[in-house]
Amino acid sequence: GAVVSQHPSWVICKSGTSVKIECRSLDFQATTMFWYRQFPKQSLMLMATSNEGSKATYEQGVEKDKFLINHASLTLSTLTVTSAHPEDSSFYICSATPRGLGYGYTFGSGTRLTVV
Amino acid sequence: QKEVEQNSGPLSVPEGAIASLNCTYSDRGSQSFFWYRQYSGKSPELIMSIYSNGDKEDGRFTAQLNKASQYVSLLIRDSQPSDSATYLCAVRGGGSNYKLTFGKGTLLTVNP
Repeated sequence: GAVVSQHPSWVICKSGTSVKIECRSLDFQATTMFWYRQFPKQSLMLMATSNEGSKATYEQGVEKDKFLINHASLTLSTLTVTSAHPEDSSFYICSATPRGLGYGYTFGSGTRLTVV
Repeated sequence: QKEVEQNSGPLSVPEGAIASLNCTYSDRGSQSFFWYRQYSGKSPELIMSIYSNGDKEDGRFTAQLNKASQYVSLLIRDSQPSDSATYLCAVRGGGSNYKLTFGKGTLLTVNP
């Protein structure tokens, strides 16, 4: 149990286009999900906290107009990278907490984004 | 600035040995502590969580927490080549702060 599904696993897009990444909790409800970004050889950096039915909370330095987050249901959060540029190329990972906030955080399989 | 520090390694141990991974954190009010394993190109996988001082054992893994010293460690007994990965220490802050702060990870290599 406690599976977080993320799609797509990889995507290549042209500079200037937008890309949507989906994160689903398959067997539990997630009122809160977290979006991370990981550059090569670096650790995970939290981008934003996604809250069901309300606006996401973005970390300092993350452009909310560029990284659009929608958490419209208890099982789905989406991250849209708008007007992508090569510097947005990274590994994007979502996570949720099946047992409630503060307990084990389960990660999705991640999305490798390459902007050309 | 809340920080989580790990020795980046690489840490190399022979097969069958004990691997010891260490982590320190700056936020004294931190509540929950996690160890994740991340294989190259993959997302992190939760190995252990620990919430109170002392040791917690799960199979070949033992997590140790010392809140007074702001120190958490992970021991891997009978290390296997399949344990070769980057190990990430993650800390949740206190109160209603549910965000995780990650260390940079320690690369572990287990040599056959």
